[in-house]
Amino acid sequence: AQSVTQPDIHITVSEGASLELRCNYSYGATPYLFWYVQSPGQGLQLLLKYFSGDTLVQGIKGFEAEFKRSQSSFNLRKPSVHWSDAAEYFCAVGPPSKAAGNKLTFGGGTRVLVKP
Amino acid sequence: EADIYQTPRYLVIGTGKKITLECSQTMGHDKMYWYQQDPGMELHLIHYSYGVNSTEKGDLSSESTVSRIRTEHFPLTLESARPSHTSQYLCASSDGGSVGQETQYFGPGTRLLVL
Repeated sequence: AQSVTQPDIHITVSEGASLELRCNYSYGATPYLFWYVQSPGQGLQLLLKYFSGDTLVQGIKGFEAEFKRSQSSFNLRKPSVHWSDAAEYFCAVGPPSKAAGNKLTFGGGTRVLVKP
Repeated sequence: EADIYQTPRYLVIGTGKKITLECSQTMGHDKMYWYQQDPGMELHLIHYSYGVNSTEKGDLSSESTVSRIRTEHFPLTLESARPSHTSQYLCASSDGGSVGQETQYFGPGTRLLVL
């Protein structure tokens, strides 16, 4: 079965500093990959997604993610964080074949705290 | 972006009560999902539907039930709430697309507290 690992439970970063959130997946084939953000008390908002093509994906709010097949990773980055980026971030994978079903598998999430 | 609504946003209720969490979307999406999320934890799929009159159980066992009589509406019901049901419930719908390429759009969630 597929699995998604986000190794960092919490990350604290200063406002204006760069941010990188790690995501590793375990799957027999290259899955489809997503990053979502969840602000306190809110639902999940899609930041970006990767299906195929260019391995560097641009998303909303200045975020980008890079797919690295050799490392089974899909890390999320932002060059300069804003206080409003404080939230929980979830990586998710979707199976590439119908036989595997249509459901997303989510990582455990990384909570980002932004220091002034 | 999909418009997907959940009501109530917050619910405090006593043990044994029957509750229904509402979820509606206005984008005509065929696929809808219910996730359960404990505080600070990952999401677990508890129910999904691929269209009217189609419902399936998800990966996490749940005592809740769902129905899908209309495309836009996917309510979740607990016949007898218990403290172990305390959690956040997130509804999502997706825009179809090829398998795995669909994008799920989430509602704001319902935070349930059972006393």
